[in-house]
Order: sequence, then C-alpha cells, then structure tokens
Amino acid sequence: DGGITQSPKYLFRKEGQNVTLSCEQNLNHDAMYWYRQDPGQGLRLIYYSQIVNDFQKGDIAEGYSVSREKKESFPLTVTSAQKNPTAFYLCASSVDRGNTEAFFGQGTRLTVV
Amino acid sequence: DQQVKQNSPSLSVQEGRISILNCDYTNSMFDYFLWYKKYPAEGPTFLISISSIKDKNEDGRFTVFLNKSAKHLSLHIVPSQPGDSAVYFCAARNDYKLSFGAGTTVTVRA
Repeated sequence: DGGITQSPKYLFRKEGQNVTLSCEQNLNHDAMYWYRQDPGQGLRLIYYSQIVNDFQKGDIAEGYSVSREKKESFPLTVTSAQKNPTAFYLCASSVDRGNTEAFFGQGTRLTVV
Repeated sequence: DQQVKQNSPSLSVQEGRISILNCDYTNSMFDYFLWYKKYPAEGPTFLISISSIKDKNEDGRFTVFLNKSAKHLSLHIVPSQPGDSAVYFCAARNDYKLSFGAGTTVTVRA
C-alpha cells in the first residue's frame, strides 16, 4: 500500500530542545517537501529535496534542518533556534520537481511546552 | 506576501446545492493550479487541477474554472454532499514550488 508516513502524529518538546520529525514514502518519488501550517494561514514551504543528497531552503527555513540520505526518507529537525515551533507539520512528495500532484502525509502536530 | 488568497474563510451550503469556492492570485508566472481537500488532523489530498492554458477542467462533481485575466480561479462542487465538509486549499505552482491559500472551511448542512 503506497503512501507517505509521518511519525509521530503528536509530539511535545521542551523549549531549547531539538526534535526530529520523520517522513517516509514508498511511492518511489524523487521530490520531497516539508510544509508548516499555522491557524488561518496556508501551507508554507520549509525545505524541499529534488534528489538524494540534495535539498534546498524554502520560504521559512530558519531554525530547521533536513537530510536526504535515502530516496524514501526526508527527516526534518526543528532546532532550538526556531522561535515559534508549535505548528502542524506536513511532509509531501511528488514524482519530480514538476510537482503537479503532491501527495501529503497525515502530519505531525508539534507543541512546545 | 501572500501570492494566493482565499478571501472566504468559511462557506456553509445545503446538501444538494452548489458550493463555489474562490481563489485569487497575484503572480502571473503561476502555470498550474490545484485544489486540495483536508480533513481535521489529516494531510491534504489532491482534488483537481488545471493548467494555465485551459479555462475549465471537470472531474465528476468537481469543476475548476480559471480566469487568467482576472487572476482568479474557482472550484464548483455540484451537488454538495455531507462528505464534502472539509477545508479546501487552493494552490498555484511556479517552477518547483507550490504556494497555498489559507483555506476555506466548507460545511454541508443536511
């Protein structure tokens, strides 16, 4: 059953701690993306990767880091430098950078306590 | 600077009637437009799309209209069903990047 899996679904973090959100896809997609959703706002692009071992900053990359060591995996680390990390995080993938139909995971809700 | 705007945060419609969702954009470089549907605590799912070279695309109960001169697109759902109650996001593509609107919450009343 092909798809994108994000884990965990809910995550709590203490201020000052780094935390890593997992994203795995078995769709054989080249491109993967991380978005952030805040109330009343659209999805904003954090990072994207078009191919293994390559990734680019999106619109709001500050305080985040990523890696793409395997085609199927694109983990996102929320560092202590991110000033307002509480949000709903969505991972997506598409066949290629054309991105005409991105498939999304179910999301991770991160809360800083 | 939000390049894709959905100015109606919510829409309530009676079951069986038409739902019309609107979306405006500012970037003339957008070449592809998509609508996504999202249920609470889930990721968005792709609904329908349209290329900038077309003005209409239809898929079952869903039709998207594009007016390039007005930089406006709309999604029509006919007839509306209870399962259509969700948040709908408009998205526009420029090269690799999708820009999303803030979403419209649709509630279908029985």
